[in-house]
Amino acid sequence: DARVTQTPRHKVTEMGQEVTMRCQPILGHNTVFWYRQTMMQGLELLAYFRNRAPLDDSGMPKDRFSAEMPDATLATLKIQPSEPRDSAVYFCASGSGGGRFRSPLHFGNGTRLTVT
Amino acid sequence: KQEVTQIPAALSVPEGENLVLNCSFTDSAIYNLQWFRQDPGKGLTSLLLIQSSQREQTSGRLNASLDKSSGRSTLYIAASQPGDSATYLCAVGGETSGSRLTFGEGTQLTVNP
Repeated sequence: DARVTQTPRHKVTEMGQEVTMRCQPILGHNTVFWYRQTMMQGLELLAYFRNRAPLDDSGMPKDRFSAEMPDATLATLKIQPSEPRDSAVYFCASGSGGGRFRSPLHFGNGTRLTVT
Repeated sequence: KQEVTQIPAALSVPEGENLVLNCSFTDSAIYNLQWFRQDPGKGLTSLLLIQSSQREQTSGRLNASLDKSSGRSTLYIAASQPGDSATYLCAVGGETSGSRLTFGEGTQLTVNP
């Protein structure tokens, strides 16, 4: 059963430290999304890639967040420096298709980040 | 800007009851709508995907309908079971938003044995 894999599952860090979250999308999926979920804001789209190219990162604070896809099997989301307000669950999701999805989106189990 | 609202925010029912979850969206120019389930500490699992040209989709005890013109979708769960307890989210893909999905806040469902 193919699934999206995210590491680490949990991360606790101090303010100012760098955080890197990793995602392995489902093999063959050409679109990868990064979402952030908090109680207050719900699910927010941070960035997404198609065929490894960034298409939209308007939801991401550019001064501290960066997202990359070094290859088709790995997506990374980096926060530097981290702040307490970044505490949230970060989800990666992958899917296949063109500009308008005709197939379901598959989510990983998330990385729960706590910044103290 | 698309806004998605889900009512109710929470629902508690006895086992065996049929129930309906509601989702409304402000911009009817959508190309599809998905219903997801989220269990505590887990990611989202896609339940049903309805394309804008479709009126409904069914999977087992689940049936989702879409009325694009009125900006509404419902998720019907038949003969609910304790294992159905989870948060249910709907998400819409807009005509002009590419692959971006807009999510509702979710309905937290509890099915009591």
